Amino acid sequence: SQTIHQWPATLVQPVGSPLSLECTVEGTSNPNLYWYRQAAGRGLQLLFYSVGIGQISSEVPQNLSASRPQDRQFILSSKKLLLSDSGFYLCAWTAVSSGNTIYFGEGSWLTVV
Amino acid sequence: RKEVEQDPGPFNVPEGATVAFNCTYSNSASQSFFWYRQDCRKEPKLLMSVYSSGNEDGRFTAQLNRASQYISLLIRDSKLSDSATYLCVVHTGGYNKLIFGAGTRLAVHP
Repeated sequence: SQTIHQWPATLVQPVGSPLSLECTVEGTSNPNLYWYRQAAGRGLQLLFYSVGIGQISSEVPQNLSASRPQDRQFILSSKKLLLSDSGFYLCAWTAVSSGNTIYFGEGSWLTVV
Repeated sequence: RKEVEQDPGPFNVPEGATVAFNCTYSNSASQSFFWYRQDCRKEPKLLMSVYSSGNEDGRFTAQLNRASQYISLLIRDSKLSDSATYLCVVHTGGYNKLIFGAGTRLAVHP
């Protein structure tokens, strides 16, 4: 069966510090991978999606970036965090085998102080 | 107009009540529809897909009305454990075209 993991689960970072969130998927090949952000009391905002290794599409301008160094690995990064980057970050995947159903990782809570 | 709209609630209902949520979408070319459940500080999890003919899973019934462009979720015999936020998700085609509603919060009380 397919599983998705992301880490760290929680982190508190000072303004201006770097960020790296990592996500891996197991049990499927060539998944579409996504990074979403959910601000407090708000809906999910798509940040990045990837249809293959090295292929990244950005949905919104921001100081975040994403990379996909391996088929089942997706990384969200920032060189300098802003207070507004605080939120709940979710990695997710879809694949042909899952139809259009999207599955989420456990999420990472980021607080920028 | 938002692509997917939901009543944010909260819906406060007693145990055993029947409650219904609606979700409207703006893109008539939308292809697939889902309901997700999200518990506080947790990731969203698939509750059920929504099919054109309507579908039922235990106490949960989902329906699609393409003419009026809305989907609904009916929960019968509400349990305390049903308390959560329910997200409507619409797929309009393409890899990035999964649109999430902001969610409807349900609180079931004794």
